[in-house]
Amino acid sequence: GESVGLHLPTLSVQEGDNSIINCAYSNSASDYFIWYKQESGKGPQFIIDIRSNMDKRQGQRVTVLLNKTVKHLSLQIAATQPGDSAVYFCAENYLDTGRRALTFGSGTRLQVQP
Amino acid sequence: GAVVSQHPSWVICKSGTSVKIECRSLDFQATTMFWYRQFPKQSLMLMATSNEGSKATYEQGVEKDKFLINHASLTLSTLTVTSAHPEDSSFYICSARDLGQGYNEQFFGPGTRLTVL
Repeated sequence: GESVGLHLPTLSVQEGDNSIINCAYSNSASDYFIWYKQESGKGPQFIIDIRSNMDKRQGQRVTVLLNKTVKHLSLQIAATQPGDSAVYFCAENYLDTGRRALTFGSGTRLQVQP
Repeated sequence: GAVVSQHPSWVICKSGTSVKIECRSLDFQATTMFWYRQFPKQSLMLMATSNEGSKATYEQGVEKDKFLINHASLTLSTLTVTSAHPEDSSFYICSARDLGQGYNEQFFGPGTRLTVL
């Protein structure tokens, strides 16, 4: 089936810089999107979410942007800190056969250089 | 905030044995819990949806007779890996939906590392 796609990789930034992590999704029926942070050996940690009727949402040091026209989601982290180093996943949520399913993207590793 | 626990946090077993992993919502009720599997350097893949009081819904390619799911109460779901083999070694993560927060809220457990020798 359709899935959220995220091109790989590793993003390396200097401490204090802003980070932008991108995600492309393909399921046009998705109506809710979430960004998760996962540290090594731990479960995903909720960062921020956004519904499909919005195009921007801000949290503490984080902003999520949603562009439904091109099916693109991004996570912006301001003043990146060493503690932000982790793998970040976007996930989409949609109603499928009567249940709410969550599909994860492939993830991006963020490395913050001190 | 909502807390989900898993037990054990890690387990090592011999090939052919069965392993049970528990997922508990500690401070909220969850009619639905989800089980994911994550291989090293890969994303989370949904295995099944666990529904309290009814049969679990398995994703395509996941053997229901091998991965037994029981959701006997609103705060506990168990995943039993039967006749485990080395290829079942993985990081198993559960999540639970908080009834009181609407359908979108999903909270994840810390994961269980399974190693099959």
